[in-house]
Amino acid sequence: AQSVTQLDSQVPVFEEAPVELRCNYSSSVSVYLFWYVQYPNQGLQLLLKYLSGSTLVKGINGFEAEFNKSQTSFHLRKPSVHISDTAEYFCAVSHTGGGNKLTFGTGTQLKVEL
Amino acid sequence: NAGVTQTPKFQVLKTGQSMTLQCAQDMNHNSMYWYRQDPGMGLRLIYYSASEGTTDKGEVPNGYNVSRLNKREFSLRLESAAPSQTSVYFCASSGTGVEGETQYFGPGTRLLVL
Repeated sequence: AQSVTQLDSQVPVFEEAPVELRCNYSSSVSVYLFWYVQYPNQGLQLLLKYLSGSTLVKGINGFEAEFNKSQTSFHLRKPSVHISDTAEYFCAVSHTGGGNKLTFGTGTQLKVEL
Repeated sequence: NAGVTQTPKFQVLKTGQSMTLQCAQDMNHNSMYWYRQDPGMGLRLIYYSASEGTTDKGEVPNGYNVSRLNKREFSLRLESAAPSQTSVYFCASSGTGVEGETQYFGPGTRLLVL
């Protein structure tokens, strides 16, 4: 079984500052990794995903994440945030051959302030 | 394309009442899922259907039943609602193959059980 840990429940940041949202996972087999974003009162939208290949993955809205197998991490980064990035961010993992079932972290609320 | 649609958007039930949450997708996806989202707990898988005619339990199936009516529709039924089932329910769908690991989410159903 796999699990996902998002250590930061809330991350406040000023507009135009960089941000990193942390995600660590545990799994005994190879994994696929995802970041989803949820804006208030909406469903989840895929930001980016790592399936294989390059460990640096670029997604929508200027976000990127790096897969680090040795540290079992998949941290999300953005060099300069905007007010519109205020949302909840979920890291998720599935394992290869696992039937597409996702295990989610508990989420990180990103609050961008002026 | 509407993507994944869910009805109703909001529902208030009394303890012991029953209801069915409806989900439909127009992306010709084989796999469909039901999650519940609770504060501080992320999303947890209730049931999933890897293909038409099959359903399997997820992490938190107790108190729920599902029906994969056809390829497009996947319903979630609460036979006797309990206050512990107050939550936001999300339906999702995905295709097959490596790229099928991406799940697409509906807007959610907010359920309050009194």
